[in-house]
Amino acid sequence: QQQVKQSPQSLIVQKGGISIINCAYENTAFDYFPWYQQFPGKGPALLIAIRPDVSEKKEGRFTISFNKSAKQFSLHIMDSQPGDSATYFCAASKRNTGKLIFGQGTTLQVKP
Amino acid sequence: KAGVTQTPRYLIKTRGQQVTLSCSPISGHRSVSWYQQTPGQGLQFLFEYFSETQRNKGNFPGRFSGRQFSNSRSEMNVSTLELGDSALYLCASSWGPDSEAFFGQGTRLTVV
Repeated sequence: QQQVKQSPQSLIVQKGGISIINCAYENTAFDYFPWYQQFPGKGPALLIAIRPDVSEKKEGRFTISFNKSAKQFSLHIMDSQPGDSATYFCAASKRNTGKLIFGQGTTLQVKP
Repeated sequence: KAGVTQTPRYLIKTRGQQVTLSCSPISGHRSVSWYQQTPGQGLQFLFEYFSETQRNKGNFPGRFSGRQFSNSRSEMNVSTLELGDSALYLCASSWGPDSEAFFGQGTRLTVV
């Protein structure tokens, strides 16, 4: 019940295309769903996050879609750029635990 | 505003030794959590501290321990190191357990 399953494991997208990464969770007590971006040699950087009271959140080229009934959420990167090439992690946590459960990560390569 | 600072950045230790890693959170943040990142297991939660109290602990053996000081700085200690402890150890800080978590660059520990 603690797992967060992320797919695909790797993704190749052409510059200007849309990158879509999906995550699914089982524990209905999760109430916070962030996405992190990690470049080689760096720590994960918070990209965007959502709580289950909204179905979508957009920040610039990044959008989270959240489907509470299906227990799924996804990250859409519009107009993907080579600089977006990185590993992306979804995560989930329960209120007041300070504990993030991470997906296994998706390595995104954006080809020029 | 300074980010999360982890020291040292790199460490090489021998099996059986112990190691202490340090984390200075973003100024004003009172919650610090630690994660282990490996290629095989991904990002796994170690423990979380808030106001000097360990509030949550992951599924790691007792060789992994930590503490938080009154200034919110945190240390984690691994005793009797094993080869499998080789990993990137990440520290994240936040205002509180339900706030956005910001990661440091990590400490790369290699056990030989």
